[in-house]
Amino acid sequence: AQSVTQLGSHVSVSEGALVLLRCNYSSSVPPYLFWYVQYPNQGLQLLLKYTTGATLVKGINGFEAEFKKSETSFHLTKPSAHMSDAAEYFCAGDNSGGSNYKLTFGKGTLLTVNP
Amino acid sequence: DGGITQSPKYLFRKEGQNVTLSCEQNLNHDAMYWYRQDPGQGLRLIYYSQIVNDFQKGDIAEGYSVSREKKESFPLTVTSAQKNPTAFYLCASSIAAGGGYTFGSGTRLTVV
Repeated sequence: AQSVTQLGSHVSVSEGALVLLRCNYSSSVPPYLFWYVQYPNQGLQLLLKYTTGATLVKGINGFEAEFKKSETSFHLTKPSAHMSDAAEYFCAGDNSGGSNYKLTFGKGTLLTVNP
Repeated sequence: DGGITQSPKYLFRKEGQNVTLSCEQNLNHDAMYWYRQDPGQGLRLIYYSQIVNDFQKGDIAEGYSVSREKKESFPLTVTSAQKNPTAFYLCASSIAAGGGYTFGSGTRLTVV
């Protein structure tokens, strides 16, 4: 069974600093991978996804993530944090291959941005 | 615009009452899901449905029930058997592997 691990339940950065949120997956088959963002009392919004092809994926709001098969990682980065980036971020993976389609979510990382 | 709608946004119920949360999508997605979210516990899967008239239990199905009579609709009933129903409930839908989920905006249920 696939698992998704997010390292760090809470990350705090200063405004303008690099944002790095870590995600590792365990699977014998490279999965489809996703990052979602959730603002308070709202649903999850898709930031970016990796399916096939280019391993560096660009998403909305200046975020990007790189799929590294050798490290089984899919870390999320943003060069310069903005106050509006403060939210909870979820990494998710799927390697179901079709039927019984279901994502596996990490526990989430709460990002705090300090002025 | 296509999307997924959850209603109501906030719901208050007395202990011992059943309550039904609505989830409707007009994305023509086959699969739909219900998650429960509690502080610090991430997303926990309650039920999911891949096609109409079929659904499967997730990790925490006890005390909940669902139906899938139409492709567009996947209502969740929180029954009196659910020991601690106060939580944020999220509905999602998906089209196929690789597409990810589209989420609704959630329903916050408070039982008093």
